[in-house]
Amino acid sequence: EAGVAQSPRYKIIEKRQSVAFWCNPISGHATLYWYQQILGQGPKLLIQFQNNGVVDDSQLPKDRFSAERLKGVDSTLKIQPAKLEDSAVYLCASSSLKGPSDRGYEQYFGPGTRLTVT
Amino acid sequence: QKEVEQDPGPLSVPEGAIVSLNCTYSNSAFQYFMWYRQYSRKGPELLMYTYSSGNKEDGRFTAQVDKSSKYISLFIRDSQPSDSATYLCAMIPTGSARQLTFGSGTQLTVLP
Repeated sequence: EAGVAQSPRYKIIEKRQSVAFWCNPISGHATLYWYQQILGQGPKLLIQFQNNGVVDDSQLPKDRFSAERLKGVDSTLKIQPAKLEDSAVYLCASSSLKGPSDRGYEQYFGPGTRLTVT
Repeated sequence: QKEVEQDPGPLSVPEGAIVSLNCTYSNSAFQYFMWYRQYSRKGPELLMYTYSSGNKEDGRFTAQVDKSSKYISLFIRDSQPSDSATYLCAMIPTGSARQLTFGSGTQLTVLP
């Protein structure tokens, strides 16, 4: 079973520029998550999709961040314009709709995109 | 106050030592408790998964949950250099849409 794929792996941009990240979840996984992980911190949920609908985007800075999941599969996360404090690793994760027993709530993470804003 | 508190370390131990990693939390609604392991420049991977209070063992790893104290632990026996990574505790509240709240992670180094 192929894992969660993300691209690019690394990106360096100047502040006020825009950037986009792409995620391909594990085949058949209905739920997709985007997290922001700042150095030395745990991942923070930005947005959660179930199929192509948004479940939770309460922590997404909507004035500059946007995300979409077309056809309930791939997803893109965009930042426009970027700020210095957006420097972080952006992680995509996916999970199935299994119940809680036997690791049913497990989220599978991709390798992340490391963003540096200068 | 953060919902989940975790000692960031770093923690350095000799090979073969028993390692104890801990998290405390404030939200009594947390019902599912997990430990993720994150190697450098990789995404987190699930290590242990427990529901409510009690212990769970998997090989060299034991997870403990004490809901009365709002305290969870991960023990690693006979630690190996390959265990060197950042360990993140994570929790899901009952009735939620499976949204994980992570601790800040503890960086562990096992010296050969």
